[in-house]
Amino acid sequence: GENVEQHPSTLSVQEGDSAVIKCTYSDSASNYFPWYKQELGKRPQLIIDIRSNVGEKKDQRIAVTLNKTAKHFSLHITETQPEDSAVYFCAASSPPEGRLAFGKGNQVVVIP
Amino acid sequence: DSGVTQTPKHLITATGQRVTLRCSPRSGDLSVYWYQQSLDQGLQFLIQYYNGEERAKGNILERFSAQQFPDLHSELNLSSLELGDSALYFCASSVESRPDTQYFGPGTRLTVL
Repeated sequence: GENVEQHPSTLSVQEGDSAVIKCTYSDSASNYFPWYKQELGKRPQLIIDIRSNVGEKKDQRIAVTLNKTAKHFSLHITETQPEDSAVYFCAASSPPEGRLAFGKGNQVVVIP
Repeated sequence: DSGVTQTPKHLITATGQRVTLRCSPRSGDLSVYWYQQSLDQGLQFLIQYYNGEERAKGNILERFSAQQFPDLHSELNLSSLELGDSALYFCASSVESRPDTQYFGPGTRLTVL
């Protein structure tokens, strides 16, 4: 099955700086790559996603890039704010059922 | 709020017992997915139902079972509970055209003592 790895496990950034989280996946059939943000004790919240026919997608301060050849994708958060502090999970999905294989998560801490 | 609801929010029980977790998907969503989140294993896919039928199975233990009812709500049954079953259990739902775009419910925190 699909194996998704995330690095680094913890990321501390100064408020206003950028944060980048990288993930790799193993199954070349995977074609959908969402990112979820999870605050302590709360549900994973879908914040951005990308499909394999696109190389980059941006939504305000967050962006995701995908390199299918190298089988990796990254989340970029610019102008970080304290409310960006959370655990971020990347995931990958291959057709047809849509089950998600998650990475272990990255703790992002934004220092005011 | 994702529109997915789960009950109960918290559940505390003893080893050997059986519990039922309930999930109602977003209005119009036919697919329900169950995930287990523990500290050591992260978020793990358990099982998927689509319009009442089991569609995909992940690393779900034989002691666990699920079903989806005609009104599309789903139940996850956990039996012969062990300490290691303590975890957050999430369900997620998606529309038919985008099964991989999943919206998560608030979760049920299960504590087995």
